[in-house]
Amino acid sequence: DTGVSQDPRHKITKRGQNVTFRCDPISEHNRLYWYRQTLGQGPEFLTYFQNEAQLEKSRLLSDRFSAERPKGSFSTLEIQRTEQGDSAMYLCASSTRRVETQYFGPGTRLLVL
Amino acid sequence: GENVEQHPSTLSVQEGDSAVIKCTYSDSASNYFPWYKQELGKGPQLIIDIRSNVGEKKDQRIAVTLNKTAKHFSLHITETQPEDSAVYFCAASIIGNDMRFGAGTRLTVKP
Repeated sequence: DTGVSQDPRHKITKRGQNVTFRCDPISEHNRLYWYRQTLGQGPEFLTYFQNEAQLEKSRLLSDRFSAERPKGSFSTLEIQRTEQGDSAMYLCASSTRRVETQYFGPGTRLLVL
Repeated sequence: GENVEQHPSTLSVQEGDSAVIKCTYSDSASNYFPWYKQELGKGPQLIIDIRSNVGEKKDQRIAVTLNKTAKHFSLHITETQPEDSAVYFCAASIIGNDMRFGAGTRLTVKP
């Protein structure tokens, strides 16, 4: 399978703990996006990378959230000191620079107790 | 920034009927409009997209129309089948920038 992959698929954590999610984009895609989706809503943009450079961050991305893409391939999204309001599906997507079409991974569902 | 509104929030049709979902956007600079289908527990899957230089695009039973003057675009599904049941999202963006999604339409196709 050559699609976008995310790990883990599910994560349950206690409030105050840190969590880290990983996204592996489609191999030739140099753009990588993170979105958050809550129940009954569409995905909300968090941040995106072109190669290893983080080019844009949403105001939704509080200082407890950090994303990296150190070698321009996979990316990680870390949430520090999780809160119950962080419970959501975290989606990753990738695209090429030339063609805007974004392809999504299966998501990581986070539950903060 | 861009704001996308989607209607209806739920839609129920009989198998074989057509389904139409409509979206409006606010930023006249938006030039890329994809539609995604999301099944339970899965990520959104692209089903069709349209760019601002065309008014209509068709792919088998699915078509999208775009009215740039009115800033709205629609998804048309003909000859619906039970496997079309899912949540559908429209989105709008300026190519090279972040994408804004509508709130989704839950489509149910009754056999």
